Amino acid sequence: DAGITQSPRHKVTETGTPVTLRCHQTENHRYMYWYRQDPGHGLRLIHYSYGVKDTDKGEVSDGYSVSRSKTEDFLLTLESATSSQTSVYFCAISEVYKNTEAFFGQGTRLTVV
Amino acid sequence: DQQVKQNSPSLSVQEGRISILNCDYTNSMFDYFLWYKKYPAEGPTFLISISSIKDKNEDGRFTVFLNKSAKHLSLHIVPSQPGDSAVYFCAARGFIIQGAQKLVFGQGTRLTINP
Repeated sequence: DAGITQSPRHKVTETGTPVTLRCHQTENHRYMYWYRQDPGHGLRLIHYSYGVKDTDKGEVSDGYSVSRSKTEDFLLTLESATSSQTSVYFCAISEVYKNTEAFFGQGTRLTVV
Repeated sequence: DQQVKQNSPSLSVQEGRISILNCDYTNSMFDYFLWYKKYPAEGPTFLISISSIKDKNEDGRFTVFLNKSAKHLSLHIVPSQPGDSAVYFCAARGFIIQGAQKLVFGQGTRLTINP
């Protein structure tokens, strides 16, 4: 199994509060991603990183920000959580080589009440 | 605009028989297609992939077929085993900035293998 750890695994928070999810990898992979999984939508890309301090938006980035200060850590922040951000969040990593797949963490289940 | 679609939310198959999961896509620029398997409370795990220049890839009990003209791919599992019961996601890969991979996922198909 790829060395990806997401924390926390579960979180309940109130509407309007900030939340930060952490992804930590031990594989030294260059690329890191945050996806969210919702019924009827599969997984959708929120943000991704192509190096330390290099990040960009995915298809559902509104309301989210990210930071990557070290190769191994990729943080996802909900500045002011809303009920529509209740979801399961997955971090993924991939390497430079073109034909390798992305590996996923175990997910964080976030509930915004 | 759903670029990758799995039109069957669920599929039930008897143990030992063949399971066929289907996926359709709309964007001709995708260069790789992947299947991921997901158990409850776990992350998706990679199962098998196929390049857009091939029409078949086989790995043990799993075979993926790609029909580019129809923009359709399928995953065949034979023989099906109880441990195959999971949600299967089809994903199409495109490249974005500096080699990062953008995966576009289908909605998933829940496969249940009955003893």
